Amino acid sequence: DQQVKQNSPSLSVQEGRISILNCDYTNSMFDYFLWYKKYPAEGPTFLISISSIKDKNEDGRFTVFLNKSAKHLSLHIVPSQPGDSAVYFCAASEGRTGNQFYFGTGTSLTVIP
Amino acid sequence: GAGVSQTPSNKVTEKGKYVELRCDPISGHTALYWYRQSLGQGPEFLIYFQGTGAADDSGLPNDRFFAVRPEGSVSTLKIQRTERGDSAVYLCASSPIATGELFFGEGSRLTVL
Repeated sequence: DQQVKQNSPSLSVQEGRISILNCDYTNSMFDYFLWYKKYPAEGPTFLISISSIKDKNEDGRFTVFLNKSAKHLSLHIVPSQPGDSAVYFCAASEGRTGNQFYFGTGTSLTVIP
Repeated sequence: GAGVSQTPSNKVTEKGKYVELRCDPISGHTALYWYRQSLGQGPEFLIYFQGTGAADDSGLPNDRFFAVRPEGSVSTLKIQRTERGDSAVYLCASSPIATGELFFGEGSRLTVL
C-alpha cells in the first residue's frame, strides 16, 4: 500500500508562472516531510523540508505547505524556470532521523520557455 | 568528489548470478540507506544503517538480499540468485544524523537478463 501518493504523474507550466505539485499521505504518524528533485540519470537531490510543527516553509522560489488535517502537502515554485524541469518526489517519515522515508511516485514537471 | 559514490553505475547480469553493489557515503555521515527504484515508481526503502549495524532491514524483499557496513562507512548490497524482477536502479543515500536530509548517490542500474 502506498503511504505517500502523488496523483499527478506530470505537469506543464509556462516559464514565469507558478508550479504547484501536490502530495497526499495516509499515515497520521508522519511528522517530517521532504521534497526531492531528480534529473535523468542522477540521484534525487534534496530541495526543501517541513516538520509537522509548521504549516509553511520557504526557501527562495520554493515554498512547501503542510495541511495536517487533510494529510496533504504541496510544493510551490514561483517563478518557474526551465531549469526546474525534473521529476519531483515527496517523502515522509515518522521522526526526523532514524526512520525510513516513504516516497511518492513522482511528478514530472516541464517548464515551457 | 564529496558526494555519495556508487559503483558500478551499470551492471548487466544473468538470472541466477550473484551481484554486489557498493556505496561510499559522504565522510562523517553516520546514517546510510539503500533504496530501490523501479521504472515509474518512487524510491522504495530497503535497509537503513546507523553506524555498522542495520537499524532497520524491514524493506529487504527476501533473504536473497543482504547488506553490510563493516566499518561504519562503505556499504555493500549483495543480491544472490538474481531474478529478472530485481532489475531496478539501486540508490544509496547517507545522512548526517542531526538533520535527517538524505543525500543520494547517482544509483547503480541493475539489469537481470
